[in-house]
Amino acid sequence: DAKTTQPPSMDCAEGRAANLPCNHSTISGNEYVYWYRQIHSQGPQYIIHGLKNNETNEMASLIITEDRKSSTLILPHATLRDTAVYYCIVRLPYGQNFVFGPGTRLSVLP
Amino acid sequence: EPEVTQTPSHQVTQMGQEVILRCVPISNHLYFYWYRQILGQKVEFLVSFYNNEISEKSEIFDDQFSVERPDGSNFTLKIRSTKLEDSAMYFCASTGGTDTQYFGPGTRLTVL
Repeated sequence: DAKTTQPPSMDCAEGRAANLPCNHSTISGNEYVYWYRQIHSQGPQYIIHGLKNNETNEMASLIITEDRKSSTLILPHATLRDTAVYYCIVRLPYGQNFVFGPGTRLSVLP
Repeated sequence: EPEVTQTPSHQVTQMGQEVILRCVPISNHLYFYWYRQILGQKVEFLVSFYNNEISEKSEIFDDQFSVERPDGSNFTLKIRSTKLEDSAMYFCASTGGTDTQYFGPGTRLTVL
């Protein structure tokens, strides 16, 4: 079973920041937090990952709480093309498979 | 940008027939994976492959399934005798030194 808890759905207005929360209270010290998204029935798309420091790339920012029990994915300026299911996954590095939960269905509204 | 490719994009087969789904992972990647997603359900792990052998498999990956890396570029999933419940999207993924898994676009398998 997935080790994370996410809200089943969220709405966001186009152009606004989308903040997607994730709880992972049982995360162990060497597990990373990964975020993927799936647009319609396409293959999951990697967004970002981190261990304990906040991370930012061209797609998003990842904020991990100091106790590492939760995190937030931030899409700074959501567009209609960001409408997708977003998955928060915790896992050990190197070789282990991903365990996907149901994710959060983000709807970006015009 | 390098990407994982999969063929065919859609495969229709009769129950009991064998199917082979093909994947070309990103060049220089070392770990390869198959996942599946039944319509409306979660993405589920099937099998991982490293150094020319299965490194991990799920309960779903029974004797009807097999994987192979027949040459330096392809990675295949074979289902020997398809069942109706095998109808799903099948995703291939690969990872290299960064450990981020990159997924292909998927093959939609429809078993009639």
